[in-house]
Amino acid sequence: GAGVSQSPSNKVTEKGKDVELRCDPISGHTALYWYRQSLGQGLEFLIYFQGNSAPDKSGLPSDRFSAERTGGSVSTLTIQRTQQEDSAVYLCASSLVPGGAYEQYFGPGTRLTVT
Amino acid sequence: AQKVTQAQTEISVVEKEDVTLDCVYETRDTTYYLFWYKQPPSGELVFLIRRNSFDEQNEISGRYSWNFQKSTSSFNFTITASQVVDSAVYFCALSEEEANFGNEKLTFGTGTRLTIIP
Repeated sequence: GAGVSQSPSNKVTEKGKDVELRCDPISGHTALYWYRQSLGQGLEFLIYFQGNSAPDKSGLPSDRFSAERTGGSVSTLTIQRTQQEDSAVYLCASSLVPGGAYEQYFGPGTRLTVT
Repeated sequence: AQKVTQAQTEISVVEKEDVTLDCVYETRDTTYYLFWYKQPPSGELVFLIRRNSFDEQNEISGRYSWNFQKSTSSFNFTITASQVVDSAVYFCALSEEEANFGNEKLTFGTGTRLTIIP
């Protein structure tokens, strides 16, 4: 079946602009994660969604970052007033149910460049 | 707090040599999971293996093998008879068990870049 998909694959934006990154998880997967991969910080957790529960936003680096998940499926990560330090690859992952007993499947990522 | 250390930043070996990637973890939980992911040049993270903290049995899958030792908090990964296609960045990761479908996010090591020289 189809894997996790993300769009766009690449995004170049000017400092101060808002961007939206999209994630389509594997159908039927209830848990969805966003991670960020950057040169200075490695791979770091951003936010977690599970079903209709309130998301765990503990990894978001600032209040310029927000995310939503509509209908328990597609998720959008929004970065407002982008800064150069936001440049990174943003990865989305989903798993059948939450928990380490189920592996997380990753999408190809969105490479964000803030100029 | 959980932490994963991959001390080897880069490794280069000649094709057909064996190579071991080290992973050391820290956690206060008794129930946790360990993972290895491969990130080839294409960029997508590929799941390789998962281990739970109660299963210390080593595992072999083709040319890949994993050695989990709780006594040293290590989960090392060995590739035997390496091939050029094994060239990638390899990440070790840890998740801790959370109750009630809580967030079992992955904490990653910094990765080891493996280059297989033909």
